[in-house]
Amino acid sequence: GAGVSQSPSNKVTEKGKDVELRCDPISGHTALYWYRQSLGQGLEFLIYFQGNSAPDKSGLPSDRFSAERTGGSVSTLTIQRTQQEDSAVYLCASSLGGSLYEQYFGPGTRLTVT
Amino acid sequence: TQLLEQSPQFLSIQEGENLTVYCNSSSVFSSLQWYRQEPGEGPVLLVTVVTGGEVKKLKRLTFQFGDARKDSSLHITAAQPGDTGLYLCAGPRGTGGFKTIFGAGTRLFVKA
Repeated sequence: GAGVSQSPSNKVTEKGKDVELRCDPISGHTALYWYRQSLGQGLEFLIYFQGNSAPDKSGLPSDRFSAERTGGSVSTLTIQRTQQEDSAVYLCASSLGGSLYEQYFGPGTRLTVT
Repeated sequence: TQLLEQSPQFLSIQEGENLTVYCNSSSVFSSLQWYRQEPGEGPVLLVTVVTGGEVKKLKRLTFQFGDARKDSSLHITAAQPGDTGLYLCAGPRGTGGFKTIFGAGTRLFVKA
């Protein structure tokens, strides 16, 4: 079946521009996560959505970052006024539930801010 | 400071050698997961451990969860080049059990 997809796969943008990253989770998965991974590093939690509950935004690094999930499916991560330190791979994952469930990851979006 | 500390950060070994990588914390976790990530791809789950002292085996990989549920280890027997990748441990934090934190990972390179 179809896995988690993300678009675009690569994005180069100029400092100060806004960017939108898209995630299509696996159908039926109620939980959706966004992470950021800097070169060669582990994953930094950004935000998760679970069903109709309010999202946990505690990992968003600044108010320039926001995310939404429409209809319990597709999610977009928006970064406003991008900075060079925002350059990283942004990974999306979905799962059937909480910590005991497998998170299925997309291939990521590589964001480069010049 | 990482809540989940992984060691070593990098490991380069010859095919056929054994190795152990570690995931340590000062905090108790209700469960821990191990993922493997290959270049250009997202992480893939290897195992979830939930009981203190638990040992799980997956072919040549043996996972252990510490008795106090503050640490875990991954032992690979007779490593193969296909084991090359970034090994990440992860665990839940906060209420609800959804927020997941990851360690910085151990990058393993197995030479043929």
